[in-house]
Amino acid sequence: DAKTTQPPSMDCAEGRAANLPCNHSTISGNEYVYWYRQIHSQGPQYIIHGLKNNETNEMASLIITEDRKSSTLILPHATLRDTAVYYCIVRVANQAGTALIFGKGTTLSVSS
Amino acid sequence: NAGVTQTPKFQVLKTGQSMTLQCAQDMNHEYMSWYRQDPGMGLRLIHYSVGAGITDQGEVPNGYNVSRSTTEDFPLRLLSAAPSQTSVYFCASSRSGGAGELFFGEGSRLTVL
Repeated sequence: DAKTTQPPSMDCAEGRAANLPCNHSTISGNEYVYWYRQIHSQGPQYIIHGLKNNETNEMASLIITEDRKSSTLILPHATLRDTAVYYCIVRVANQAGTALIFGKGTTLSVSS
Repeated sequence: NAGVTQTPKFQVLKTGQSMTLQCAQDMNHEYMSWYRQDPGMGLRLIHYSVGAGITDQGEVPNGYNVSRSTTEDFPLRLLSAAPSQTSVYFCASSRSGGAGELFFGEGSRLTVL
């Protein structure tokens, strides 16, 4: 699976949009981009994933560049409860025998 | 559904002792995995399984054994605990092949003295 690069930390004001970048310049054509987050010491929580097109769900939006070498997770109106470590992962979906490899992620701090 | 259940939540061991961390899921997921998390290190994959009877090593498998006799259970065994295995351990499961969303347990905090 391709490796990803994320900034170690970011700050965001409550109510503003949080834009978390991720570089995955070696991504293959059949690899998806996944985002998870981990609040305090809880188990990580799935946020969203996508292949080529931008995706949106009730939690966030995922913007993938046309060349697919980078992506941005957008939390449209960050709250204090969004303070967490955010992990960007790329992997092949539906491929037996592969595993999700987590990096160190980005620590997002939302302040009032 | 209970989701992914890990036991125990906390455990203290002495060096050289053995123990098993239990993981069970009730979602009929084929894929299960174990991660460990150390401060500043993110999550590192220990072992994973794509179905009953099938297991494979992850990034940091040394010192750990696993087995998958049923779809529901995926225990992680420490045969001779070492202080370096002090960590928080997470079990996760997902649909076939590990595709889609991974569901995580609440974690097991292990301290080896």
